[in-house]
Amino acid sequence: DIQMTQSPSSLSASVGDRVTITCQASHDITNYLNWYQQKPGKAPKLLIYDASHLETGVPSRFSGSGSGTDFTFTISSLQPEDIATYYCQQFDNLPPTVTFGGGTKVEI
Amino acid sequence: EEQLVESGGGLVKPGGSLRLSCATSGFPFSSYSMNWVRQAPGKGLEWVSSISTTSTYIYYADSVKGRFTVSRDNAKNSVFLQMNSLRDEDTAVYYCAREVGIVGGTYDLWGQGTLVTVSS
Repeated sequence: DIQMTQSPSSLSASVGDRVTITCQASHDITNYLNWYQQKPGKAPKLLIYDASHLETGVPSRFSGSGSGTDFTFTISSLQPEDIATYYCQQFDNLPPTVTFGGGTKVEI
Repeated sequence: EEQLVESGGGLVKPGGSLRLSCATSGFPFSSYSMNWVRQAPGKGLEWVSSISTTSTYIYYADSVKGRFTVSRDNAKNSVFLQMNSLRDEDTAVYYCAREVGIVGGTYDLWGQGTLVTVSS
C-alpha cells in the first residue's frame, strides 16, 4: 500500500503569511494527488485536484505543485477563513486504493 | 443544487449491524461512482468503500472487508453501506462522496456525514 506522509501536522501563522504544506508518497503516484480543506464539524472540501488544478470556485491564493512522490500545497496569503485542517489524498488505480495524509491543522 | 444527505447513523453495540443511506439530488446520480469515507473522533480521514456506476466494480478498505457491503439504487438516486460485525474502532462520522476524475479517486461533493458510535 502507498503511504502518505504529510507535514507539518500543525502550524501557526499570521494573516497574510505564505503557508506551505508538504506531502510525500511512498511510491510514484504521478499526479494522482488531491488537497482538501476541512473546517471543524464540516465535511471536507476539494481545493486542488491532480496535484495542481484549482477546483472551480476556490480562491486563487490556494495552489498545488509536484509530481511523482513529492507534493506541495501553498496558501499565498493566509486569511482568517482559511483556519482549517488540510489533507492530501492519493489515488492508486491498480488495485484502486485511496490514502489520505495525516492532516495539517492551520491556526492563526 | 447538488446534494448528498447521509442518514442511518446511531449507537450500536459491538457485533451489531447498521445500514447507512446516502440520498442524492441535483445531478445524474447513475453517471457517478460513489464512495464512503469515515473519520474517527479527532482523527483523520479514512477511505472505506467505492462502488461504480452500475455496481460492477466494488472495493473496500482492508479494515472493513468482509464486514461492510456497499450497494446503490440508481432508480432511487441512493447509495448504501451495510455494516455488520461492528467494532469499537468503527466509531466515526461516515461521509458519502461523489467521485470524479479521468481515472477517478477525486471527491468533489460530500455529504454532511452521519455519526456511528459502537459502544456497549
